[in-house]
Order: sequence, then structure tokens, then C-alpha cells
Amino acid sequence: SQQGEEDPQALSIQEGENATMNCSYKTSINNLQWYRQNSGRGLVHLILIRSNEREKHSGRLRVTLDTSKKSSSLLITASRAADTASYFCATATYPGGGFKTIFGAGTRLFVKA
Amino acid sequence: DVKVTQSSRYLVKRTGEKVFLECVQDMDHENMFWYRQDPGLGLRLIYFSYDVKMKEKGDIPEGYSVSREKKERFSLILESASTNQTSMYLCASSSGQGRDYGYTFGSGTRLTVV
Repeated sequence: SQQGEEDPQALSIQEGENATMNCSYKTSINNLQWYRQNSGRGLVHLILIRSNEREKHSGRLRVTLDTSKKSSSLLITASRAADTASYFCATATYPGGGFKTIFGAGTRLFVKA
Repeated sequence: DVKVTQSSRYLVKRTGEKVFLECVQDMDHENMFWYRQDPGLGLRLIYFSYDVKMKEKGDIPEGYSVSREKKERFSLILESASTNQTSMYLCASSSGQGRDYGYTFGSGTRLTVV
């Protein structure tokens, strides 16, 4: 079963606009991560937010985390054609002393030039 | 620049063949992972390893085995390839116990079993 589920499944915007993707999850987490995947390639780690953090920034990326609603959002400001990719959230939990990271199915973002 | 290297980008194998997918990382990471990625299903964990010669089953280990004889290398083995194992395979590594560290992924191996 998937822990993180992204919404929307697909998003198409114009260059220069902001893109917002959401991630919801079911159980308590230790951290939540966002990744980008360009077509046919591996995933690239973008940002990690810990469960005791509410917001984090990295360049044009802004991530928020609301643990009471079990949700996170990724905002990409002033989008560029090069931002076209799939974006995944991943939730990290630590059941029974180990750790487990579960990835959602992703949001496909298309930025039109 | 830190790297996770997967030996092949594309691979075509016949049903019943034994297939080896190799993954090497140069970051001295303790943890290594094998995922498969299929449309609409996201990434599913096949096997992972926290240390040399150590392995743990993930969510979908059936039909697969792994080997980690050296810290930097984690191999995925399809004992007898089947068409339902056609997929994109992604290797990843992370530091420590994974607490508050992201994963570094390889570029992926797209395997087709015919």
C-alpha cells in the first residue's frame, strides 16, 4: 500500500507560472522527501523536511509540511521548461528500529515554453 | 560528484535467463536499495541492505535475490527472468540508518524480458 499519494497526477502550466504539487500520507513519519525524475532517468533528491519542521526552502522550491493533516506541498516558483519532469514524495518511517521509505506514484509536470 | 552507477541503461533478456543487474556507489554509503518502477505503481522496494553481506526483503522480493559482497556493490539477480519482470530497475544508496538523509539514485536499467 502506498504511504504517499501525490495530487494532481498531472499538471500543465506556462513558463513563469508557479507549480504546486501535494502529497498526502497515512501514518506518522520521521521525514518527508521530494524527488524529481526526468524522463527515463533516475530520481534526484530535491529537499527533505523533518517531521518537526513546517517549511523549507531551496532556491525556487518551497516545501511545507502539515503533520496534523498528514500532508505536504511542493511549490516551484517561476517555472521553466527545464522543470518538466515527474515529482515524487517519499515518506520515511522507522518501524521496529529499522527504517522504511515509501514513494508515491508521482505528479507529472509539464511546463510549456 | 557522488555517484550511483548502474551497469546497463537498457537490457533485453529472454524468458528463463538468469539476469544480473549491477550497482556501484562511490560514497561509502552503508545502505543500498533496489526498486522497480512501473507506470501507475510508483517505486516498489525489492530488496535492501544496511551493511556488507546483509540483505532484507522489501515489498516485492519474489523472483529476485541480491548479493552484497562489498560495501560499494549491490547486485540484483533475477533467477529465471519472466515477462512480468519487464520494468525499470532503480538502485539507490543512502548514508547511515537513513535518518534525515535522502537517497542517491542511479540512472536506472530498463529491462525487457521477451
